[in-house]
Amino acid sequence: DSGVTQTPKHLITATGQRVTLRCSPRSGDLSVYWYQQSLDQGLQFLIQYYNGEERAKGNILERFSAQQFPDLHSELNLSSLELGDSALYFCASSVDVHQPQHFGDGTRLSIL
Amino acid sequence: DQQVKQNSPSLSVQEGRISILNCDYTNSMFDYFLWYKKYPAEGPTFLISISSIKDKNEDGRFTVFLNKSAKHLSLHIVPSQPGDSAVYFCAASEGPGTYKYIFGTGTRLKVLA
Repeated sequence: DSGVTQTPKHLITATGQRVTLRCSPRSGDLSVYWYQQSLDQGLQFLIQYYNGEERAKGNILERFSAQQFPDLHSELNLSSLELGDSALYFCASSVDVHQPQHFGDGTRLSIL
Repeated sequence: DQQVKQNSPSLSVQEGRISILNCDYTNSMFDYFLWYKKYPAEGPTFLISISSIKDKNEDGRFTVFLNKSAKHLSLHIVPSQPGDSAVYFCAASEGPGTYKYIFGTGTRLKVLA
C-alpha cells in the first residue's frame, strides 16, 4: 500500500462528457503529480502541484485541468471527453522535488 | 520526441541469474533518475534512484549504473526471482528544482522458475 488513494478505480462514460478524478496523497507529501498511461505506452506527465500551487506542466490538453486543495488532495478534471482519452490515470505524491514518487493504483477511464 | 527510451519491450531470464534492464536518454540536463516496478492492476512502485553525481547506487539485489557520457543507465537485479516479474520503468528529472519527470515506455521482465 503506497498510501496514495485514487477514486474511482473505474469510470465508464460517453464522449462529450466531463469527469473528475480524485487523489489523496500520502500523509506528509506536499507534491502531487498526474500521469496518463494509454495502451502500451509509458506514463505521460500531465501536471504537478506543490502545496496548492501548480509547479510543472507536461502534455496536458486544454480540455483537462487540475487543482490541489488546502487539505492537499487533488482533482483532475477531464471535459469534452473523446475516445482517445480512454486510459489509466495515475496520481503520485512525494515529499518534495527529487524525492521518489509514490503512486496510487490508478483510475481506469473508458470512453464509449 | 521520446527523451527516455527503453528499447527492449520484454526480457526473459532464468531464476537465479542476473537481469539487466537498459534505459537511454537524450537530454543532457537530466540529473536524477529512478526505476519503478509495476505489477498488473497496481500503480508503479519505486525501486531505486541515482543522482547524476554518482555512477552507481545499490540497494539489496538492485543496482543502478549511470553512464553520463553515453547517456545510459541500467538496472541489475541479482539474483532474479519469479516475484521480480513485472514491467520496469525508468524515469528522469531535468535539473534541480524541476518537478517534471519523463518516463520510458517500460520493459516487461519475466523470470522463469
